[in-house]
Amino acid sequence: DTGVSQNPRHKITKRGQNVTFRCDPISEHNRLYWYRQTLGQGPEFLTYFQNEAQLEKSRLLSDRFSAERPKGSFSTLEIQRTEQGDSAMYLCASSSEGEQFFGPGTRLTVL
Amino acid sequence: AQSVAQPEDQVNVAEGNPLTVKCTYSVSGNPYLFWYVQYPNRGLQFLLKYITGDNLVKGSYGFEAEFNKSQTSFHLKKPSALVSDSALYFCAVRDRAKGGSYIPTFGRGTSLIVHP
Repeated sequence: DTGVSQNPRHKITKRGQNVTFRCDPISEHNRLYWYRQTLGQGPEFLTYFQNEAQLEKSRLLSDRFSAERPKGSFSTLEIQRTEQGDSAMYLCASSSEGEQFFGPGTRLTVL
Repeated sequence: AQSVAQPEDQVNVAEGNPLTVKCTYSVSGNPYLFWYVQYPNRGLQFLLKYITGDNLVKGSYGFEAEFNKSQTSFHLKKPSALVSDSALYFCAVRDRAKGGSYIPTFGRGTSLIVHP
């Protein structure tokens, strides 16, 4: 399968723990995006990479959130000191010039 | 700034009937417009896009959308709905103006329910 993959698909953690998610984009895509989606809402932008450079971050992204794309290929999203309000689906997407291709998402539940 | 509105939280249609899911947008320049579909517990799946050219865009699974610049709309349509079309539909817009963002803005989504 040459689509966007995300791991893990599900993560349950206790409040205060750190979690890390991984996204593997389509190999020829230079743009990579992270979104958060909660029930009944559209994807909410978190951050954007072009190659290895993080070009935009949402103002809604607290300093507990950090993302990397060290070699311009896969990306990781880390949430430190998780809170119950972080419970959501975290989506990764990649693109070249046009439409985005989304991964299946990582569903985070913070207890 | 760019924004998109999907005025209907839910659309109900009988199988075999035509369906329309509405989307309006706001951009400072010309828009890139997209429709995506999301099935339960899945990521978003691209359906179709408008960049330039014909106002009627055809996409996957028999869906089409009509770009109307004067009404700033990009409604999704299908002539004959299937029960399997039941899903969440998202409209998205990106501003093509110079200096515009590469990040699309998504609507809140419209739940399409097709009744047998």
